[in-house]
Amino acid sequence: GENVEQHPSTLSVQEGDSAVIKCTYSDSASNYFPWYKQELGKRPQLIIDIRSNVGEKKDQRIAVTLNKTAKHFSLHITETQPEDSAVYFCAAIQGGSQGNLIFGKGTKLSVKP
Amino acid sequence: GAGVSQSPRYKVAKRGQDVALRCDPISGHVSLFWYQQALGQGPEFLTYFQNEAQLDKSGLPSDRFFAERPEGSVSTLKIQRTQQEDSAVYLCASSLLPYSNQPQHFGDGTRLSIL
Repeated sequence: GENVEQHPSTLSVQEGDSAVIKCTYSDSASNYFPWYKQELGKRPQLIIDIRSNVGEKKDQRIAVTLNKTAKHFSLHITETQPEDSAVYFCAAIQGGSQGNLIFGKGTKLSVKP
Repeated sequence: GAGVSQSPRYKVAKRGQDVALRCDPISGHVSLFWYQQALGQGPEFLTYFQNEAQLDKSGLPSDRFFAERPEGSVSTLKIQRTQQEDSAVYLCASSLLPYSNQPQHFGDGTRLSIL
């Protein structure tokens, strides 16, 4: 089955710096890779996603890149702000499923003012 | 509705009791997923509905877990004879279309504590 590894587990940056979170997946049949932001006690919030037919997608300060050959994808946040502080999860679709997401263990991002 | 709604937000039960958790997906969303999130971990898949049909229950940890969506909208996750290891946040997510590459929108979850 699908396995998703996420690094780092914690990340601390200064406000205005960039943050990069990396994930690898194992199932070559996976074709959809969302990223979720979860604040303490709140719901996972979809912030960006990418499908396997593209290599990069950008939405304002957030971008995601996908390397299908190497089976890894990354989240890039530029010009970080304190409100970006949260736990970020990457996920991949379990191949052959109806959309079951397999999540990484999360990255706790702290943005220091 | 505006988003996925789950109730109750918090549930405390004694070991051995039965509990029922409710999910009200976004109106018109065909697909509905249940996930379990342990403290400090990512969500883990439990089960999937397409309208009223439960097409995948491979993630349910035991036969004490049962889910239904009888009219293709509201779903209920029931846990019988609860045990301490059932303590977790139970998340519901819905997506508009019945395809695997569709965005899933989550509710706030039900935090279940088993004493």
